[in-house]
Amino acid sequence: AQTVTQSQPEMSVQEAETVTLSCTYDTSENNYYLFWYKQPPSRQMILVIRQEAYKQQNATENRFSVNFQKAAKSFSLKISDSQLGDTAMYFCAYLGGSSNTGKLIFGQGTTLQVKP
Amino acid sequence: NAGVMQNPRHLVRRRGQEARLRCSPMKGHSHVYWYRQLPEEGLKFMVYLQKENIIDESGMPKERFSAEFPKEGPSILRIQQVVRGDSAAYFCASSRDRAYNSPLHFGNGTRLTVT
Repeated sequence: AQTVTQSQPEMSVQEAETVTLSCTYDTSENNYYLFWYKQPPSRQMILVIRQEAYKQQNATENRFSVNFQKAAKSFSLKISDSQLGDTAMYFCAYLGGSSNTGKLIFGQGTTLQVKP
Repeated sequence: NAGVMQNPRHLVRRRGQEARLRCSPMKGHSHVYWYRQLPEEGLKFMVYLQKENIIDESGMPKERFSAEFPKEGPSILRIQQVVRGDSAAYFCASSRDRAYNSPLHFGNGTRLTVT
């Protein structure tokens, strides 16, 4: 069975600085998708970034980028120029590409606080 | 284009009552997913429906829980005879196509409290 692990329960960063959130996963599949979701206090789950495993190039979305290391099964999120609005819980998630399902597997989450 | 709409936002039920949670997917989306989030945990998959059909219910408890997505109207997650352990945030998501072809868009969730 696939698993997703986020080993950092809490992190903090000063406004305008850069922070990296860690995520590792375990799977025997070759084709899959990885995601980072943000959950602010409003509780809504917001998609931050998506990576397809067959693509070697790391996904980027404005200030957000990932470091995808397929062999190491690692998928970290880098937030550059952190803003107060980035304060939220961040979840790493995995989706198998070979099955007809919407079964995202989520990690335990990392609470990020951006300090002024 | 309105996002995924869930209601109610908060729901309080006494033990033994029924809880009905509603989800209207985004316009043009025919795939709906339900997830449950316990305090301080990530979301856990419950069920995946595609217009009137249950595609994957591997995350649904075997008893008391059911889900439907009728041809007309919202998707409903129904919990019969609720117990304290059912207290959680329940999230609905929708997508235009299958999850590996199009991203899931989540609603704001319904927080169920069982007293």
